[in-house]
Amino acid sequence: ETGVTQTPRHLVMGMTNKKSLKCEQHLGHNAMYWYKQSAKKPLELMFVYNFKEQTENNSVPSRFSPECPNSSHLFLHLHTLQPEDSALYLCASSQEVSQVPSPLHFGNGTRLTVT
Amino acid sequence: GQNIDQPTEMTATEGAIVQINCTYQTSGFNGLFWYQQHAGEAPTFLSYNVLDGLEEKGRFSSFLSRSKGYSYLLLKELQMKDSASYLCAVRGRMDSSYKLIFGSGTRLLVRP
Repeated sequence: ETGVTQTPRHLVMGMTNKKSLKCEQHLGHNAMYWYKQSAKKPLELMFVYNFKEQTENNSVPSRFSPECPNSSHLFLHLHTLQPEDSALYLCASSQEVSQVPSPLHFGNGTRLTVT
Repeated sequence: GQNIDQPTEMTATEGAIVQINCTYQTSGFNGLFWYQQHAGEAPTFLSYNVLDGLEEKGRFSSFLSRSKGYSYLLLKELQMKDSASYLCAVRGRMDSSYKLIFGSGTRLLVRP
């Protein structure tokens, strides 16, 4: 059982819909991340939150809007998406301590299809 | 910038040994990670190297040479369940912070 839980597992939405992805981590970590995984492409970092503060926005279009109400929960709000946004969206968490590298713990992802 | 290269696909036989290579370019190197990802599942952490040399963890070992920008993941006594994608990820300094950048992954097929 993963310590990072994502819901829903699958989501189909039209281009005019508004939906949200949810992520919850039970590991006591202080950093949370959103990654996008498209077929045959590397994992792409979208957003990073450290102690609830957004520290990274990797040139992501504004139709993706993250929210981190506390260090255990992370949301990704979606609106007016495009078909090319169809992908697996992965949430991850880690315990960041200064410059010491620490592994990411991933959720099972949300498979998003935009029609 | 940062760049990571690893083979797209590899095939090996059950019980054998396979080596998955990863070459990288980065500034401010701060660790290299290997993850395993089965189809439809989350990537799971396998190992990481910060210093040169070999790290062994059961059937899996990972090697790093920072001067060559090179790492490999060695899988021994292959099992059918080892069929998965193996992701190489490098932590390097970009702008004013550290970032973890992933390679495209190597899809390993283990045959009986």
